[in-house]
Amino acid sequence: GAGVSQSPSNKVTEKGKDVELRCDPISGHTALYWYRQRLGQGLEFLIYFQGNSAPDKSGLPSDRFSAERTGESVSTLTIQRTQQEDSAVYLCASSSDRNTEAFFGQGTRLTVV
Amino acid sequence: KNQVEQSPQSLIILEGKNCTLQCNYTVSPFSNLRWYKQDTGRGPVSLTIMTFSENTKSNGRYTATLDADTKQSSLHITASQLSDSASYICVVSNLNQGGKLIFGQGTELSVKP
Repeated sequence: GAGVSQSPSNKVTEKGKDVELRCDPISGHTALYWYRQRLGQGLEFLIYFQGNSAPDKSGLPSDRFSAERTGESVSTLTIQRTQQEDSAVYLCASSSDRNTEAFFGQGTRLTVV
Repeated sequence: KNQVEQSPQSLIILEGKNCTLQCNYTVSPFSNLRWYKQDTGRGPVSLTIMTFSENTKSNGRYTATLDADTKQSSLHITASQLSDSASYICVVSNLNQGGKLIFGQGTELSVKP
């Protein structure tokens, strides 16, 4: 595709439910990042995939959060048993290598009620 | 610890004026430094990316500088426009961690008429 695509764009879920967020990176991009941005705050790193290397999961806030990526394509971020503090915009970015621009998707706005 | 600190946290200027945003980092070893612009409700968009050997890089009215010895960068905006109102984020890539991007908290710029 022409850019990084994320779906859904908006998600409202009840506390305790599981949600799955999807990111379609730019074709051929080996690096993929997930970030979280709470209202009025900066980007918070969650997880980083680079090619076939083991993902860097150091930013995942709890074991309720997990992410997968199939090869160099789609990634899904799963949040289990959602809590109200999980409400945020979840941004995905991809890049072709470490020295090139990272392109961001428009994000998924998650609201836990 | 790998960190990126930005100042000021927020800034208000009049249309047509210039401004300079600061970024200090402790990320090591350094791969590259990027400045992103994030409009409200949108994903960040890259303005510049600089490697170790580059001291300055321009993109229209945006000029970024990098001093790799002091680990400082600045983003200078010339002849500001209302559309420059956004969050400006400094991002440093860590060479050892596969190019993992480390984000600053951003400077919120507001350009007033």
